[in-house]
Amino acid sequence: GDSVTQMEGPVTLSEEAFLTINCTYTATGYPSLFWYVQYPGEGLQLLLKATKADDKGSNKGFEATYRKETTSFHLEKGSVQVSDSAVYFCALSEVNQGGKLIFGQGTELSVKP
Amino acid sequence: GAVVSQHPSWVICKSGTSVKIECRSLDFQATTMFWYRQFPKQSLMLMATSNEGSKATYEQGVEKDKFLINHASLTLSTLTVTSAHPEDSSFYICSVSESGWTEAFFGQGTRLTVV
Repeated sequence: GDSVTQMEGPVTLSEEAFLTINCTYTATGYPSLFWYVQYPGEGLQLLLKATKADDKGSNKGFEATYRKETTSFHLEKGSVQVSDSAVYFCALSEVNQGGKLIFGQGTELSVKP
Repeated sequence: GAVVSQHPSWVICKSGTSVKIECRSLDFQATTMFWYRQFPKQSLMLMATSNEGSKATYEQGVEKDKFLINHASLTLSTLTVTSAHPEDSSFYICSVSESGWTEAFFGQGTRLTVV
């Protein structure tokens, strides 16, 4: 079945450092890919998405490119802030699954001033 | 995106009692809602798909008699944890989606603690 694998956390960075969180997936079809962010004690917020190969999703300085050849969707940000501290989830959804998401295990990011 | 509200945000109950969690879609009519469970420091695991006007579809390993799901209207789905036990303590999150969508929108979650 479909699955998502993320790099393990926690990831600790200093403010203004470059961020990469790796995500790879296994899917039988042509999924849409997502990054969600979860702040402590809260639900999930959609950060960005990409629906087909070579699409780049971007939002709030975060970017991720849908790489079909490497089945990857790595999250990047050029300069992190303390307010970016959260747990980040990579997820996929197959076209015929109507919003049913398969999540990676989540990566906790801690940004120190 | 869609606005989803869960209630309550947190609840503490005694072992053996039942707890109902509500998930409301505030700005559109949702034919499909999903219920996830999240243990501390872990990912979200899909429990069931709630379909308006029909029975929920449960994922393998989820006890449907323990986790009762009702989707009686296009704006409300409820999850009832029956005869709760400490091992049911968890963070429960709902999401809504629509036919033809690929993404889903999440509620803020409900922290259940069974003592």
